[in-house]
Amino acid sequence: SQKIEQNSEALNIQEGKTATLTCNYTNYSPAYLQWYRQDPGRGPVFLLLIRENEKEKRKERLKVTFDTTLKQSLFHITASQPADSATYLCALDNYGQNFVFGPGTRLSVLP
Amino acid sequence: DSGVTQTPKHLITATGQRVTLRCSPRSGDLSVYWYQQSLDQGLQFLIQYYNGEERAKGNILERFSAQQFPDLHSELNLSSLELGDSALYFCASSEPREGLTASGANVLTFGAGSRLTVL
Repeated sequence: SQKIEQNSEALNIQEGKTATLTCNYTNYSPAYLQWYRQDPGRGPVFLLLIRENEKEKRKERLKVTFDTTLKQSLFHITASQPADSATYLCALDNYGQNFVFGPGTRLSVLP
Repeated sequence: DSGVTQTPKHLITATGQRVTLRCSPRSGDLSVYWYQQSLDQGLQFLIQYYNGEERAKGNILERFSAQQFPDLHSELNLSSLELGDSALYFCASSEPREGLTASGANVLTFGAGSRLTVL
């Protein structure tokens, strides 16, 4: 069956450290993978996308990698700040039909 | 402000009732998606419309229906409500009329959501 998993429900890290979030999927063949940020009670906000033929993408303090062999994406936030505390969701395009989201990882950056 | 407008923001109703949630997509976007988010389940895809036509369907209950109107706004109708329907309902839009984003891929722009409480 099709499944998207994110490494942990919650992740706590110290300010200034690098946060690494994982997204694994089964029985999907996404053309690209996206990462969204969601704050409590608000809609998700798009952060980054990476295509199947790309290994790595960067945007300011954010970095995403995509390994289609492992069926895994890693999302890194370097020099993390308390303002980075939120839930991060990965999303796959489902054969161009719609977007399927992972359950999310709630990141807390402790000062 | 994302440009996607959802109303109402909050709605409290009783079991057995029917409600309608409304979504206005970002200007120029042709696709509208509906998602349900409850505490124990992440974002669950319900249904997608593209330029007035249904394009994809997820795990949408038969008690739920949706449509997209000629002006591209969309409505999600929830009937015979049950306690378990209490959730945040998000609308998202994508696929701008003028073509895909610079990345060449669709990204979703979400509204602020409609919080439904069924008592």
